[in-house]
Amino acid sequence: QSVLTQPPSASGTPGQRVTISCSGSKSNIGSNHVYWYQQLPGTAPKLFIFRNDQRPSGVPDRFSGSKSGTSASLAISGLRSEDEGDYYCAVWDDSLSGPVFGGGTKLTVL
Amino acid sequence: EVQLVQSGAEVRKPGQSLKISCKASGFSFTSYWIAWVRQMPGKGLELMGVIYPDDSETTYSPSFQGQVTISADKSLTTAYLQWSSLNASDTAIYYCARGTSWPYYFDYWGQGTLVTVSS
Repeated sequence: QSVLTQPPSASGTPGQRVTISCSGSKSNIGSNHVYWYQQLPGTAPKLFIFRNDQRPSGVPDRFSGSKSGTSASLAISGLRSEDEGDYYCAVWDDSLSGPVFGGGTKLTVL
Repeated sequence: EVQLVQSGAEVRKPGQSLKISCKASGFSFTSYWIAWVRQMPGKGLELMGVIYPDDSETTYSPSFQGQVTISADKSLTTAYLQWSSLNASDTAIYYCARGTSWPYYFDYWGQGTLVTVSS
């Protein structure tokens, strides 16, 4: 059971906007930056959002991150079939003195 | 170009030992953390532990303390994850990842090493 809670699944049709949530507490999301990782089937995780809302070079601007209080969200607009995969949030937890991952959300493009 | 290249897939029997590796290149190996992350079949990501190669300072997540050993060789710019006695429950993909900044986060990942433990 992770200290970060994500919905196990999310879905949308091509072109739609989908949001994936990540819920935590004061000791993690409430105090530190949130990171998002994309893991396409059969591949290693890839950093997709850092420091709450920053995109690494090469990540499409269809992806955006936000944080408010003890929750964070990853929004994907203009959904495409190649976006299908697993998405994980991660954040440093002050109580644990280390980073923690959310349980992951499987995104399906219908 | 930052690269983390992991050793190939392994098959072992329960009770056997194993050491897998993560070869780093394209950055200063001694200036970043290297983490090991487990992904069991069909499951999520679990941080096992991290090492700072410059001084070999190592921190293990509570669930993995005493179960594995993380080490690094500065001269080879390679990090290692080893088991002295494997269980079937160790069957998983293991990723190494580079930790950057402070508090650190993981910006580059290896391709993963599949470890299968079966009698």
